[in-house]
Amino acid sequence: ETGVTQSPTHLIKTRGQQVTLRCSSQSGHNTVSWYQQALGQGPQFIFQYYREEENGRGNFPPRFSGLQFPNYSSELNVNALELDDSALYLCASSLLAAPKANNEQFFGPGTRLTVL
Amino acid sequence: RKEVEQDPGPFNVPEGATVAFNCTYSNSASQSFFWYRQDCRKEPKLLMSVYSSGNEDGRFTAQLNRASQYISLLIRDSKLSDSATYLCVVNNYGQNFVFGPGTRLSVLP
Repeated sequence: ETGVTQSPTHLIKTRGQQVTLRCSSQSGHNTVSWYQQALGQGPQFIFQYYREEENGRGNFPPRFSGLQFPNYSSELNVNALELDDSALYLCASSLLAAPKANNEQFFGPGTRLTVL
Repeated sequence: RKEVEQDPGPFNVPEGATVAFNCTYSNSASQSFFWYRQDCRKEPKLLMSVYSSGNEDGRFTAQLNRASQYISLLIRDSKLSDSATYLCVVNNYGQNFVFGPGTRLSVLP
């Protein structure tokens, strides 16, 4: 196991609602990345947080927002939910030496969001 | 054109077979490369990093050709437990991980 945890495991919402997903990073890691994985596709990068600051963002609208806390855990918030937001949301933690560094990412089990 | 492309699959092979997966990437500035494995309805798990010199881990061999922007994964002596989706991942310096769409492998008894 990676030590990365996510909650909740499953969630059902309706269009227009808001949702908050949570992630606890692996001990010693300072970086959390969020991904959206639609059925049958590879994960798509949403954004990354390094030491509580946003450190890169993918091609997602502003209604996708996030936070990272001093203990490096993180939240993903999605406002005004749309049907196409139904997906597996994955959080990955890593230890970066600097904002522009690279390193392996370790994934949590994901939150499966269904929007009706 | 997608930034990372993979063989569309699925691959159905008998136990003991050798199978090769191919991946190409479009960003020549890409710095690091990985293969992840994802079981059905589970999270991706790191299988191996890919180095320019090529690297091997047991039955798994990964190769990188920077000139051709091509990555491969070879699995020898396939086991039933190798059945999964294999994701090619490219990381550009200071940027996020870019995943390919994945190639599904089914190893049949």
